[in-house]
Amino acid sequence: EDKVVQSPLSLVVHEGDTVTLNCSYEVTNFRSLLWYKQEKKAPTFLFMLTSSGIEKKSGRLSSILDKKELSSILNITATQTGDSAIYLCAVGGSNTGNQFYFGTGTSLTVIP
Amino acid sequence: KAGVTQTPRYLIKTRGQQVTLSCSPISGHRSVSWYQQTPGQGLQFLFEYFSETQRNKGNFPGRFSGRQFSNSRSEMNVSTLELGDSALYLCASSPGWETQYFGPGTRLLVL
Repeated sequence: EDKVVQSPLSLVVHEGDTVTLNCSYEVTNFRSLLWYKQEKKAPTFLFMLTSSGIEKKSGRLSSILDKKELSSILNITATQTGDSAIYLCAVGGSNTGNQFYFGTGTSLTVIP
Repeated sequence: KAGVTQTPRYLIKTRGQQVTLSCSPISGHRSVSWYQQTPGQGLQFLFEYFSETQRNKGNFPGRFSGRQFSNSRSEMNVSTLELGDSALYLCASSPGWETQYFGPGTRLLVL
């Protein structure tokens, strides 16, 4: 059975801290791994990682894909209260289109 | 470019009724996927449509169905509603075979 597991389930940090969120997967026909940020609305896209692009960076956020370990991490440096959200990991596992398996997410709370 | 739009945003139904949700993808996007999000199960894939054809299907009962029109707009139908169908239903559009962009969702409450 295809599955995506995220850890930790929740995290509380102080502003300025660095956090690392984990995503591991067992998905047949792996094609891509996506990270999303979800506040009190629909998920917003952060990164897409594929076999041809194993590291992405945008400002204080960065993500690495380890295809050998079937996992990915999302790093956030110098956290801000605006980073408080649920971070979702999704893995694409279809040869014929978009079928993504989502983890249950990591809830991040950044306190001033 | 306008984003993904979903209607209605909120819906209250009673058990046994049926419901139809609508999604308009980003202009030019031909793939539309539907997801159910609940606190206990997280985001679960329902199905994906591409050029009016169902391209992928998740593990949901046949009460859940969908379709896509020639303009890429998509509808999702749930028949014989159950209490457990209460959820946020999210639609995501994609140009083809890559990143998905989500709409605001339709929150369905079944009483």
